[in-house]
Amino acid sequence: EVQLVESGGGLVQPGGSLRLSCAASGFTLSNYEMNWVRQAPGKGLEWVSYISTSGGKIYSADSVKGRFTISRDDAKNSLYLQMNSLRAEDTAVYYCARDGYSSGLDAFDIWGQGTMVTVSS
Amino acid sequence: DIVMTQSPDSLAVSLGERATINCKSSQSVLYSSDNKNYLAWYQQKPGQPPKLLIYWASTRESGVPDRFSGSGSGTDFTLTISSLQVEDVAVYYCQQYYSTPYTFGQGTKLEIK
Repeated sequence: EVQLVESGGGLVQPGGSLRLSCAASGFTLSNYEMNWVRQAPGKGLEWVSYISTSGGKIYSADSVKGRFTISRDDAKNSLYLQMNSLRAEDTAVYYCARDGYSSGLDAFDIWGQGTMVTVSS
Repeated sequence: DIVMTQSPDSLAVSLGERATINCKSSQSVLYSSDNKNYLAWYQQKPGQPPKLLIYWASTRESGVPDRFSGSGSGTDFTLTISSLQVEDVAVYYCQQYYSTPYTFGQGTKLEIK
């Protein structure tokens, strides 16, 4: 079964750091571009960051640029999001999402269940 | 950045009736080199992640019931549910993947009348 499972969320104080992980199974991660998308409580979807296959291209939303870093370890079938200098407005469910480009569709075809990040003192 | 605007924000439709959700982009998402609209539709039910329904504006994802259809080109797009079922109650989002930052519409909440 094709699956993405996020972990690493939790409660962190403003200014703190957190590292999210996304474990891929049922497909070869190295063949796919990947993204992080977040959703604040009761709000809509916000794209956070993108990484190409092999990690050569990285793009991020202005709201997280300079604070969040996306990375991947294809040998471990894992995607990561290092989040530094966290703010209250970063509170959200964070989803990893597969970019279906390699499957010919280019939209986000597989999503994880999400991990909750709460930034509060 | 490309701004995606959905209408309406919420919609109540009777079971078996047609539901129509609109999405407008602030600039064209039609890529001239491949003549494809880089526009997707997602369905999100409470407590669940989004689910891809439609990509390239009108191609149904595998396993998605054929009562769901997408149409439009350039800057104006529509998601249509031809005969509303109970399980279609959800929030629907359009998304452009033409250029980063990839952007979503604000969502349309679909309920049963």
